[in-house]
Amino acid sequence: DAKTTQPTSMDCAEGRAANLPCNHSTISGNEYVYWYRQIHSQGPQYIIHGLKNNETNEMASLIITEDRKSSTLILPHATLRDTAVYYCIVRVADFGNEKLTFGTGTRLTIIP
Amino acid sequence: DTGVSQDPRHKITKRGQNVTFRCDPISEHNRLYWYRQTLGQGPEFLTYFQNEAQLEKSRLLSDRFSAERPKGSFSTLEIQRTEQGDSAMYLCASSPSAVGYEQYFGPGTRLTVT
Repeated sequence: DAKTTQPTSMDCAEGRAANLPCNHSTISGNEYVYWYRQIHSQGPQYIIHGLKNNETNEMASLIITEDRKSSTLILPHATLRDTAVYYCIVRVADFGNEKLTFGTGTRLTIIP
Repeated sequence: DTGVSQDPRHKITKRGQNVTFRCDPISEHNRLYWYRQTLGQGPEFLTYFQNEAQLEKSRLLSDRFSAERPKGSFSTLEIQRTEQGDSAMYLCASSPSAVGYEQYFGPGTRLTVT
């Protein structure tokens, strides 16, 4: 699976949009971009994933650049409960490649 | 709550003792995964099951570690002769069999080896 690079930490004001970047310059054509987050003392929580089109769900939006070498997770109206470590993971969605390979993620702090 | 559950949530043990953790996945999920997470790091994959079959094991899973899922439902992870380096959060996750499906994680078991 391709390696990802994320900033170590970010701050965002409550109520503003939080934009979390991820670089995955070695991504292959059959690799998806997944985002998980981990709130302190809890297990990771799935947020969203995509291949090449932008995706949106009730939690967030995922914007993937046309060359697929980077992506941005957007939390449209951040709340204090969004304070967490956010992991960007690139993964081939195929049988025999089931594990998730986490990096160290971005620690997002929402400021009141 | 029908999410993934883990028991116990916390375990303190002395070096050299054996410990066993249990994971109950979401009931209709065929796949079950174990990960380990040390302080400041992301989770690291240990092993996974498709029903009762253990299909992949990481090199992190030394011979002191064993995982089972005898009836394809709950799973246990046993660590024999614990070492201080085994202190970590042990996370369990489950997912349906469909390709690329997201994994749902439990709250984890925090192990402290003294």
